[in-house]
Amino acid sequence: GAVVSQHPSWVICKSGTSVKIECRSLDFQATTMFWYRQFPKQSLMLMATSNEGSKATYEQGVEKDKFLINHASLTLSTLTVTSAHPEDSSFYICSARVTSEADTQYFGPGTRLTVL
Amino acid sequence: AQTVTQSQPEMSVQEAETVTLSCTYDTSESNYYLFWYKQPPSRQMILVIRQEAYKQQNATENRFSVNFQKAAKSFSLKISDSQLGDTAMYFCAFMEQRYDMRFGAGTRLTVKP
Repeated sequence: GAVVSQHPSWVICKSGTSVKIECRSLDFQATTMFWYRQFPKQSLMLMATSNEGSKATYEQGVEKDKFLINHASLTLSTLTVTSAHPEDSSFYICSARVTSEADTQYFGPGTRLTVL
Repeated sequence: AQTVTQSQPEMSVQEAETVTLSCTYDTSESNYYLFWYKQPPSRQMILVIRQEAYKQQNATENRFSVNFQKAAKSFSLKISDSQLGDTAMYFCAFMEQRYDMRFGAGTRLTVKP
């Protein structure tokens, strides 16, 4: 299957700072990537859909000014958590859609964010 | 809105035996995709199997197979000859063509030696 990388794998930051998470499709081009959030022992919750060259589409309840998404190329999408607070601590997972495989999404390994 | 229901929060199976995880979904569409993903302790989401709704034949991938009942909106996963490495969270997912994916709450499967 297709390979998606995510960086960093874990990050600890102070409250009020901003954190950027990168998601890359390594062996294919992805016009659409997705960002999810997963709390412990829960399912994945879609935060936003990232479209190359256009603005991201956010799910209801997700603050677009707090979770900035940029999809500047066909292989890279970034999620920036601005002015992070302890309640933003979570596991963030990205995925990329492979149109040639019935729109199957392949997932990155995730980023564990801890805000102190 | 599409919903995905996994009614078994936890299941266990003896090594080498067979286990079936259930999933139901709700949609008014006729063309869509269904997936099972595995999330081991590493938390990496791994695609297990995929089914296109327009295909009547059930998908299979080695020890993994599905029972897709379109009229009943049911999509169960059967794991044969269970192995210790199958221990993980399993998520059922639904997706209309070119739309975003919706996940069930997950089933935690433990394979016992």
